[in-house]
Amino acid sequence: SAVISQKPSRDICQRGTSLTIQCQVDSQVTMMFWYRQQPGQSLTLIATANQGSEATYESGFVIDKFPISRPNLTFSTLTVSNMSPEDSSIYLCSVEGDPGSPLHFGNGTRLTVT
Amino acid sequence: TQLLEQSPQFLSIQEGENLTVYCNSSSVFSSLQWYRQEPGEGPVLLVTVVTGGEVKKLKRLTFQFGDARKDSSLHITAAQPGDTGLYLCAGAQGNEKLTFGTGTRLTIIP
Repeated sequence: SAVISQKPSRDICQRGTSLTIQCQVDSQVTMMFWYRQQPGQSLTLIATANQGSEATYESGFVIDKFPISRPNLTFSTLTVSNMSPEDSSIYLCSVEGDPGSPLHFGNGTRLTVT
Repeated sequence: TQLLEQSPQFLSIQEGENLTVYCNSSSVFSSLQWYRQEPGEGPVLLVTVVTGGEVKKLKRLTFQFGDARKDSSLHITAAQPGDTGLYLCAGAQGNEKLTFGTGTRLTIIP
């Protein structure tokens, strides 16, 4: 199974600033996803990171707030822009092998916005 | 949007007891996955069930997929402190993106 390195593992940021989270996979994968998980809650899909094209965002998430890069099949970044305390959450990168197959997750980035 | 409701939301029991977690939906899924997440880590896949009525066992964990493929259950026998974590079901519909359940936070008291 894919090994996913996500960093930073945690950060405390000030309101109004931006944070870029990196996700590195040890093998080429077709599908990469970014999820948000509020403390103690389930996962909400932010977007699908598409290699070579713009990310596909889920309802309630927009590119200006969560710009995503996917320069190749092993790497992606998620930026949380102009942060507010409501953005405090865990952000998780995940990858999928074949369509419909189980997901592998990074260990997440715990973000606190003050 | 397909909803997967898990119950209970929280469960705290003594070591050695048995428990069941439920995952229910009004939608039909082609497969259903169960994940466990421990603090500071991402969710880790436990099992995938595909066939209606299917039962899979993973040591002390028994997973069942409902006949109509709308619901699933996870039964843990003789719970251990290492079973503590957030349990998430996730449903797949063909090649569509996974829908995650609302989660069950399980605490096993030594």
